[in-house]
Amino acid sequence: RKEVEQDPGPFNVPEGATVAFNCTYSNSASQSFFWYRQDCRKEPKLLMSVYSSGNEDGRFTAQLNRASQYISLLIRDSKLSDSATYLCVVTLLNSGGYQKVTFGTGTKLQVIP
Amino acid sequence: NAGVTQTPKFQVLKTGQSMTLQCAQDMNHNSMYWYRQDPGMGLRLIYYSASEGTTDKGEVPNGYNVSRLNKREFSLRLESAAPSQTSVYFCASVRGNTDTQYFGPGTRLTVL
Repeated sequence: RKEVEQDPGPFNVPEGATVAFNCTYSNSASQSFFWYRQDCRKEPKLLMSVYSSGNEDGRFTAQLNRASQYISLLIRDSKLSDSATYLCVVTLLNSGGYQKVTFGTGTKLQVIP
Repeated sequence: NAGVTQTPKFQVLKTGQSMTLQCAQDMNHNSMYWYRQDPGMGLRLIYYSASEGTTDKGEVPNGYNVSRLNKREFSLRLESAAPSQTSVYFCASVRGNTDTQYFGPGTRLTVL
């Protein structure tokens, strides 16, 4: 089983739609969770951190379910500019004291006019 | 404040050639990382440097060496390039080891 798994998509949604992505992780000791956004041929950039209590940033809502070991990202009122690949990121403190960071392979979103 | 910069942006090598990818950050971050990104594989850690003077292997270190020249600069060297090293290489820096990773724009490397 992969450490971090995402549906690669693509998710093709019309403008204004609501879309949700899930990401599952295998290690229950994982500590920190993030969503990054990566535009085509660009570097990844932090979209938002994910907290146990859930967090919202404008049209974006992230949630963490530790019991089921998944995180989610909800995008409301999709814009054309939301078209990108969304990367799930999970961190784990390993035995060497190093914070291991694992990236999912990403979910591609295409918002259609 | 340029953030994380990488040079070169593009490079084509022949099998067996060597080259060094340069990375620099001006955010006074302690930790720096080198990743490679391949289709369907996600970002995979090659090497990291938790602080100036230290380097450690990541998930896919074979065929690479690194140097943390000072706090700002972290270079990645391919001693004898192979076609399997064709990839996009990203450098990243982090203030603390649980904080946001800031990525450079990437180097697109093709090995023929």
